[in-house]
Amino acid sequence: DTEVTQTPKHLVMGMTNKKSLKCEQHMGHRAMYWYKQKAKKPPELMFVYSYEKLSINESVPSRFSPECPNSSLLNLHLHALQPEDSALYLCASSPRQEGEYYGYTFGSGTRLTVV
Amino acid sequence: GQQLNQSPQSMFIQEGEDVSMNCTSSSIFNTWLWYKQEPGEGPVLLIALYKAGELTSNGRLTAQFGITRKDSFLNISASIPSDVGIYFCARALYSGAGSYQLTFGKGTKLSVIP
Repeated sequence: DTEVTQTPKHLVMGMTNKKSLKCEQHMGHRAMYWYKQKAKKPPELMFVYSYEKLSINESVPSRFSPECPNSSLLNLHLHALQPEDSALYLCASSPRQEGEYYGYTFGSGTRLTVV
Repeated sequence: GQQLNQSPQSMFIQEGEDVSMNCTSSSIFNTWLWYKQEPGEGPVLLIALYKAGELTSNGRLTAQFGITRKDSFLNISASIPSDVGIYFCARALYSGAGSYQLTFGKGTKLSVIP
């Protein structure tokens, strides 16, 4: 299995809803990431998890809450979002890499619309 | 922060033509990356460059790491319809415990006219 699987592919939620995005990989990767991509913009890093511990939070608002319950799963819990949070949310994973970067595996993303 | 200036923003070309895009930075980089993103998909790594002056090919794609370590270009030769997508340059910064964080340029949207 060489994929990162994200569910759901599309999500529409109201500003008072609570929802979760899920990401799963079975490649034995110990680093997992959340990126946010607004329309016609590049992906921007939100969170980095290494060995199931949060190592980087790029000043993301607390209405986004990441969770890494085990080495294969990464969740992003959403609560009280705003319409401007509508975007493509990309999950990625990577093997342990030191000295040289040689790649991530990105999922296909969850297209989130906040109404 | 580290700014990546990518150009052009978009390109419309005829099938069979060659394409060139580039990226510059005010800072020195140790690694230059080129990614492609197709609609409804995540970015896919095309080429990674690790040394100043390095020229690397991947099929019809060729990329070079500038000698000053502040720029890189990507060439696509004999373009075909499946080359359509958004091409991003990126840099990778080590973030500890074997992980890297990526910063992307603004992207070049490529359209190929059959």
